[in-house]
Amino acid sequence: LAKTTQPISMDSYEGQEVNITCSHNNIATNDYITWYQQFPSQGPRFIIQGYKTKVTNEVASLFIPADRKSSTLSLPRVSLSDTAVYYCLVAITGGGNKLTFGTGTQLKVEL
Amino acid sequence: SQTIHQWPATLVQPVGSPLSLECTVEGTSNPNLYWYRQAAGRGLQLLFYSVGIGQISSEVPQNLSASRPQDRQFILSSKKLLLSDSGFYLCASTPRASSSYNEQFFGPGTRLTVL
Repeated sequence: LAKTTQPISMDSYEGQEVNITCSHNNIATNDYITWYQQFPSQGPRFIIQGYKTKVTNEVASLFIPADRKSSTLSLPRVSLSDTAVYYCLVAITGGGNKLTFGTGTQLKVEL
Repeated sequence: SQTIHQWPATLVQPVGSPLSLECTVEGTSNPNLYWYRQAAGRGLQLLFYSVGIGQISSEVPQNLSASRPQDRQFILSSKKLLLSDSGFYLCASTPRASSSYNEQFFGPGTRLTVL
C-alpha cells in the first residue's frame, strides 16, 4: 500500500474554504485516492474517492493532478461541525480491501 | 447501507483479566469484517480481518485474538489484558462483492481502559 503524507493539523474559521493536501509519491497505477473523516469517539466515515482530475460530491471536492503524486481535499465554507480528523488513503478498489489509516490531519474550525 | 453494532460502548478492566468485544452487522451478507484499534491521538491500527466464517487473518502479533462464528458476527478476545491494550476498538464492514469504492462502514466503537 502506498504511503501517504499529510499535515498533522490545520486551523480555519467558519465560512472559509479548507484545502488539505496529501502526498503519495509511490502511488500505483491501480490505486485510488480515498478520504475519510473521523469525529472524536466515532469511527471514520467515507467522504470521497477519485482516480484522477476532479471529483465532487455534496460534501467535498477532490483534486488530483495528472501525475497523481498528490491530492487535495477541498471543503467549501467550513463550519464548526467540520472539526475532525481527515485521513487520506491510497489503495486499489474492490470490496474487502485492507485500508491503511495514517495519523490524518486534525482540522480545527473556529468562529 | 450497512449498520454495525458494537458492545459494550465503554469498558474498564484490570490487567490480567479476559476480554470479549462483540460486533454484529446488519444490512449486508457475506461481508469482510475488520477489527481496528486506535490509541489516543493516533491513527487506526488494523488488528484482524475476516473474509468469511472461521477465516481470520492477524495483522499484528499480540495477545488478542478474533473469531467469526457467524457470517455477520465478529468477536475480539483476550485471555489476559495488558495495559497497552487500552484504546478505542472499532469494528468495520465492507461488502465482499466488487465495488468501485474503498468504503468501509464503522461501528460506534468500544472505549477500553485497562488499569
